[in-house]
Amino acid sequence: DTGVSQDPRHKITKRGQNVTFRCDPISEHNRLYWYRQTLGQGPEFLTYFQNEAQLEKSRLLSDRFSAERPKGSFSTLEIQRTEQGDSAMYLCASSFSLSEKLFFGSGTQLSVL
Amino acid sequence: KQEVTQIPAALSVPEGENLVLNCSFTDSAIYNLQWFRQDPGKGLTSLLLIQSSQREQTSGRLNASLDKSSGRSTLYIAASQPGDSATYLCAVRSPGENNDMRFGAGTRLTVKP
Repeated sequence: DTGVSQDPRHKITKRGQNVTFRCDPISEHNRLYWYRQTLGQGPEFLTYFQNEAQLEKSRLLSDRFSAERPKGSFSTLEIQRTEQGDSAMYLCASSFSLSEKLFFGSGTQLSVL
Repeated sequence: KQEVTQIPAALSVPEGENLVLNCSFTDSAIYNLQWFRQDPGKGLTSLLLIQSSQREQTSGRLNASLDKSSGRSTLYIAASQPGDSATYLCAVRSPGENNDMRFGAGTRLTVKP
């Protein structure tokens, strides 16, 4: 068990480009979460999967954002037509159940120029 | 809607001092509360998880308490060390909150040698 892995660690892109991030949760965890964090703030919830089903989406997740978790394993978060306001740290987390600890990956730092 | 507040936003102490970090939340109906540590540019590391039925949890020099009725939790760090310097965040998981955890903005701790 190597913990939650995220790739890439850093992404610099130009406004209007599409980007995709990957998250590999802890293998036995069926719950996977995506969060966004800006400087000086706590993480904000974006979306949540239980196995392969996307059960919840925050109002923060505009139509330009889409997330998938095929086969209930790894997950991807895609941002289309990036805007400068999308610059943030994107964090993935997983847990076994609601009552268990939430484990985070190291995050992907996105910079939109 | 659950709101989580952490005071102070920043704290600086000399090495060896015992300290308390505060977390308050507005809705006492919670599943659990979790304390995290975050180093600059990194993801979150889970420290302690307190279930709603528990009053406190301990791990090494860390002790977290929970008072649901007053909407408060404290993280006590004994004999602080420079390596404890980081941002400490608390997060609350509540019913009806879309399965997410709502985070405070964190307390940035500096322990001076």
